[in-house]
Order: sequence, then structure tokens, then C-alpha cells
Amino acid sequence: EAGVAQSPRYKIIEKRQSVAFWCNPISGHATLYWYQQILGQGPKLLIQFQNNGVVDDSQLPKDRFSAERLKGVDSTLKIQPAKLEDSAVYLCASSFGVSGANVLTFGAGSRLTVL
Amino acid sequence: DQQVKQNSPSLSVQEGRISILNCDYTNSMFDYFLWYKKYPAEGPTFLISISSIKDKNEDGRFTVFLNKSAKHLSLHIVPSQPGDSAVYFCAAKGARAAGNKLTFGGGTRVLVKP
Repeated sequence: EAGVAQSPRYKIIEKRQSVAFWCNPISGHATLYWYQQILGQGPKLLIQFQNNGVVDDSQLPKDRFSAERLKGVDSTLKIQPAKLEDSAVYLCASSFGVSGANVLTFGAGSRLTVL
Repeated sequence: DQQVKQNSPSLSVQEGRISILNCDYTNSMFDYFLWYKKYPAEGPTFLISISSIKDKNEDGRFTVFLNKSAKHLSLHIVPSQPGDSAVYFCAAKGARAAGNKLTFGGGTRVLVKP
């Protein structure tokens, strides 16, 4: 089974520039998540999709972050304009459903450095 | 508001000995607890979970204990191996009404010395 694919793996930008991250979940996984992991902290949920609908985006800074999941498969996360505090690893994860323990499978992440 | 906390940022243990990782939570509505393991430059990978109606779950060298009255869980790794050196995250799953969201602790870095 192919894993969760993410790109790019690394990105360095200047503050106020924009950046986009792409995620392709495991085939058949209806639920897709974007997490932000700042160095030394645990992952924090930014947004959760069920198919192509948003389930939870309560912690997404909507003035600068946006995400979409067209056709209920792959997803993009955009930051515009970026701030220094956005430097983090952006993890995409997917799961088949949300019942039981809801085990998420994570991608390797996209590391963003904002200078 | 940190609902899931791992108070020990790091742990060092000798190969063959037991590693004990601790996690505390505040929300009594969590219905599952999970442990993830993360190597550098990789995403977290699922290790073991426990339902809130259980107090112990074992899978090979890994055992998770849940103390609901204390809102505390722990992960025991025995015997510890050098390949267990990684960052371990405790996570708690909210109930359906909370969107089944996973909330993570800050992680504990484990170093197993040969």
C-alpha cells in the first residue's frame, strides 16, 4: 500500500511570500488532515476534511492559511503571506474513517523555513 | 489550553532495560489514546492504542496502561532496543461530538544506549 505523499519536502521563503504544499492521501481514505508541527512541540491540527467537506478548521489562521480538497482526493495547503512564526513542518495525514481509535497515517512532512 | 501533556521532554535508557513514557490529559471525554513514534525527517507512525474502557493493552514489547481516575497513561517498552531511539507522541481522540479529533502531546525523546 502506497503511503501518504507530500511535496515539496523542504521550502525556504522570505516573510510575506506565499507557499503551497500538496498532499496525496492513501487510496480510499476519506478523511484527510493537515497538522502543523513547530520544533519541539507536538503536531497541532489545522484542518480536517471528510471527503471534500471541511469537518474542523477551528485552529486554521484563516487570514493567511487556506486549504482545499477538490474531488475528495488530494489536497493543497497555502500560506499567504507567510510570517516568521509559520516556520514548521506541515504534516498531512489520512484515515479510512473516524470510528474506533481513528489511526492516522502520516506523510513525511513538508518543512517550511520563513526568513 | 494543553489538553494532553508529556512532562518529560527526554529519556535515556540502557539497551535491554525498560523505558517508561508518561502522558497526562485533562479532558475526560477522550475515548481513545494512541502512541506514535517519530524518527527524524519522517512522519509519525502509529505504535499502539487503548480504548478508554480498558486499563491495559499489550503488543509485543509495547504495553500501554491507562489510569482514568488519574487521567494518566504510560507506555512501557521492554526490553528497549537501540532502534527504539525516537520521539514518542501521546495522542488522545475526542468523541464523535468533538469531530473525533486527535490532540497530541509535546513528545518525549527517547535515547536507548547500546
